[in-house]
Amino acid sequence: DVVLTQSPLSLPVTLGQPASISCRSSQSLVYSDGNTYLNWYHQRPGQSPRRLIYKVSIRDSGAPDRFSGSGSGTDFTLKISRVEAEDLGVYYCMQGTHWPPITFGQGTRLDIK
Amino acid sequence: QVQLVESGGGVVQPGRSLRLSCAASGFTFSAYGMHWVRQAPGKGLEWVAVIWNDANKKYYADSVKGRFTISRDNSKNTLYLQMDSLRAEDTAFYYCARAIYSGAWFGHDFWGQGTLVTVSS
Repeated sequence: DVVLTQSPLSLPVTLGQPASISCRSSQSLVYSDGNTYLNWYHQRPGQSPRRLIYKVSIRDSGAPDRFSGSGSGTDFTLKISRVEAEDLGVYYCMQGTHWPPITFGQGTRLDIK
Repeated sequence: QVQLVESGGGVVQPGRSLRLSCAASGFTFSAYGMHWVRQAPGKGLEWVAVIWNDANKKYYADSVKGRFTISRDNSKNTLYLQMDSLRAEDTAFYYCARAIYSGAWFGHDFWGQGTLVTVSS
């Protein structure tokens, strides 16, 4: 199974400042079609997860443009250019390349410093 | 708009069974693969199972294989999860989620609100 390792697991931030979360995979996530199926989700307290980014860097409709995804192969990053209060919660990376099983990272909790 | 509404959760004793349902609306249900994903209270996300749009293929996490069965009724726009031989470690919020497939998964673009299953004597 593919293991996704996120860091940090806890990220205290100051509103208005940038934030960055890393997701490293135990093997390359490049699929045979040349695409990389690494996705990012945000889960606010008491809510369901919501997909923010798919295929490394494509933002979902409704995801603010302060969110960006990058990376390749086994190393990926989610960046928030300026953290807003609504961004607090837990962020998960997820891979859909090597399955079953689909796997998630452990989650990174973003909260106020 | 797309809606996924889970039901059927509750408290059940170890070894017993429970069936979850997920009612879909706002999209062509029969065109999408559907997943169950669970989350133990205070923990991370764990993929449980997937079923093809036409129910021809089904895949399970090792932790539930042989105990859980995913199914769907496209005439009723409903997804199911039959959970047998339940264990304490199956206690979790269970989410149904829609995903697009092209040999690999694009991730889950819509999720239900979740239903809580508690396995306890």
